[in-house]
Amino acid sequence: QLQLQESGPGLVKPSETLSLTCTVSGGSISSSSYYWGWIRQPPGKGLEWIGSIYYSGSTYYNPSLKSRVTISVDTSKNQFSLKLSSVTAADTAVYYCARDFIWGQGTMVTVSS
Amino acid sequence: VIWMTQSPSLLSASTGDRVTISCRMSQGISSYLAWYQQKPGKAPELLIYAASTLQSGVPSRFSGSGSGTDFTLTISCLQSEDFATYYCQQYYSFPRTFGQGTKLEIK
Repeated sequence: QLQLQESGPGLVKPSETLSLTCTVSGGSISSSSYYWGWIRQPPGKGLEWIGSIYYSGSTYYNPSLKSRVTISVDTSKNQFSLKLSSVTAADTAVYYCARDFIWGQGTMVTVSS
Repeated sequence: VIWMTQSPSLLSASTGDRVTISCRMSQGISSYLAWYQQKPGKAPELLIYAASTLQSGVPSRFSGSGSGTDFTLTISCLQSEDFATYYCQQYYSFPRTFGQGTKLEIK
């Protein structure tokens, strides 16, 4: 059974880079034609798609975040990652990783000095 | 970008009621639509994909319909565990987009 688990710092300072990793278990990140992605949800608000990476390495980003986002895959570790640069308080949210319709449990990231 | 209008944003209902939630697209997406249920403090869980296909393990009181630009999620007989927030999502094209959410509350 496929499972995804987010990990990374829960507190990031303004202007710094938010870095999260999603560890995949129960399946290989490189063996199937799936999209692996990140979604976030600010406290009390709705869902916002951040971006996705195809198993081949092609990336797709939310235009509103594109200049600050990088998603990459590490097949040797069966992980994919998110980097969001120049963060502000508006980037405070629960961050979820997902494979198509299967989501991780999410991790809260707060941007504060 | 495909814009989505989900309505209503808040829905008050009682156990046993039949409710519907609507999701309208700014352009056609065939049947590339999913519905999720989210409870407080939890990740969204898939209910329906391909507009009308029930995810394994989801009760049959949930159903989805529509294609093109107009979609509906119906819960036929509300149970206490159904009071939650519901989101639609299109996966026809990038960027993926979500509806604004519908909070289903007890009347």
